[in-house]
Amino acid sequence: EDKVVQSPLSLVVHEGDTVTLNCSYEVTNFRSLLWYKQEKKAPTFLFMLTSSGIEKKSGRLSSILDKKELFSILNITATQTGDSAVYLCAQADYGQNFVFGPGTRLSVLP
Amino acid sequence: GAVVSQHPSRVICKSGTSVKIECRSLDFQATTMFWYRQFPKQSLMLMATSNEGSKATYEQGVEKDKFLINHASLTLSTLTVTSAHPEDSSFYICSAMNGGGASYEQYFGPGTRLTVT
Repeated sequence: EDKVVQSPLSLVVHEGDTVTLNCSYEVTNFRSLLWYKQEKKAPTFLFMLTSSGIEKKSGRLSSILDKKELFSILNITATQTGDSAVYLCAQADYGQNFVFGPGTRLSVLP
Repeated sequence: GAVVSQHPSRVICKSGTSVKIECRSLDFQATTMFWYRQFPKQSLMLMATSNEGSKATYEQGVEKDKFLINHASLTLSTLTVTSAHPEDSSFYICSAMNGGGASYEQYFGPGTRLTVT
C-alpha cells in the first residue's frame, strides 16, 4: 500500500526562524509530489515536484525532491505568524491516484 | 489561477435526511474531480474519484450507496450524502484537475462543513 509519511507532525517556532518539513513516500508508479498549505479551509497548492534535485522557490518557501531516497523537503525561511498552518504533502502516480500524508502542523509564535 | 467552488459552504441537517454538495470548476474543464473527507486535525482522506460521464471510483471502505457522486458535466460534480447520520458530520472537500491533466495539479474547492444533528 502506498504510504506518505511527514515529519515532524507538529512544530512550534518563533518568527524569523527557518523550518524544514520532511515528506517521505513509498509508492509505485510515482509521478509527482505535491505540497499544500492548509489553514482553516481547503488546502492551497504550493509546489509540484517531478524531477530530482531541482529546487522550486516561491518567496520564502522552497522545496526539493530526491527520487532516489524517496523524500522531499519544504523549507520556510524567516517564518512569519502567517505561515502557521498545516502543511500537507501528497504523491500522485500515473493513474491519477493521490495519497496525502498526515500533515505537519506549524505554529509560528510572534 | 483555476477556481473551484463548492456549495453550500456549511450545512446543518437532521439525521435521516439527504444533503447534496456541489463542486464546480469555474474557469476550466475538469475531466476528473476528487472528493475528500477530513476529520478534525487529520489529513485528507480520498473518498472517490469522479470522471465526467462515467461512474465514480470509490476508495475501499466508502459506501457508494451512501455517498452518491454524479459528474454530469465537465464543470460540475455533486456528492449526495444519503440518510445522513451524526457520524457523517465532517468537512468535505472537492478538487478538480484540468482537462489536460498533464500537470496533475489539483485545484481545491473551499470545502463544505456538514453537521448532522
